Amino acid sequence: TQLLEQSPQFLSIQEGENLTVYCNSSSVFSSLQWYRQEPGEGPVLLVTVVTGGEVKKLKRLTFQFGDARKDSSLHITAAQPGDTGLYLCCGSGNTGKLIFGQGTTLQVKP
Amino acid sequence: DTGVSQDPRHKITKRGQNVTFRCDPISEHNRLYWYRQTLGQGPEFLTYFQNEAQLEKSRLLSDRFSAERPKGSFSTLEIQRTEQGDSAMYLCASVSPPDTQYFGPGTRLTVL
Repeated sequence: TQLLEQSPQFLSIQEGENLTVYCNSSSVFSSLQWYRQEPGEGPVLLVTVVTGGEVKKLKRLTFQFGDARKDSSLHITAAQPGDTGLYLCCGSGNTGKLIFGQGTTLQVKP
Repeated sequence: DTGVSQDPRHKITKRGQNVTFRCDPISEHNRLYWYRQTLGQGPEFLTYFQNEAQLEKSRLLSDRFSAERPKGSFSTLEIQRTEQGDSAMYLCASVSPPDTQYFGPGTRLTVL
């Protein structure tokens, strides 16, 4: 069974701080996506990474896919209250099934 | 609006009743997924369709749950004899190649 372990599960920081969220697995994924979800809404795609070692930047967010395509990280620089939300990683498994991590709830205090 | 839509957005029902949810995916997407999500957790896979074919079902999907996607367009998820433990957000996602998911707003089910 392919699993994605996401850490930390909860993160509460002050505005302006940096943070990193990790998504790890013992399995190889053909691609991995990061989503952000606000209460009462569906997840919204932030980025898809496909190539091992790939780094993508989205303003203050930096996403990295591990060389072996088993892990990924999301780094946020100078977090703002508007970054508050549930961050989810999702990998494409070997049967076509899409597998989510448990999620990281981020709270950024002004 | 050409995004994914789900209906209803909210459903309150009494234990033992049957409920049905509908998902309308993005028209050109042939893969459609159903997930269940509880507060603060990641979505749990329930089932997915490639066109009209249901390719995989989670062990979470008991005999009370059934999903269909006639003609490979919209999909329905039915829960029979609802239980309080069925209370959750039910999400539908439409997938464009290779694996980018576009989620609907979800249906929040409350079973009293």
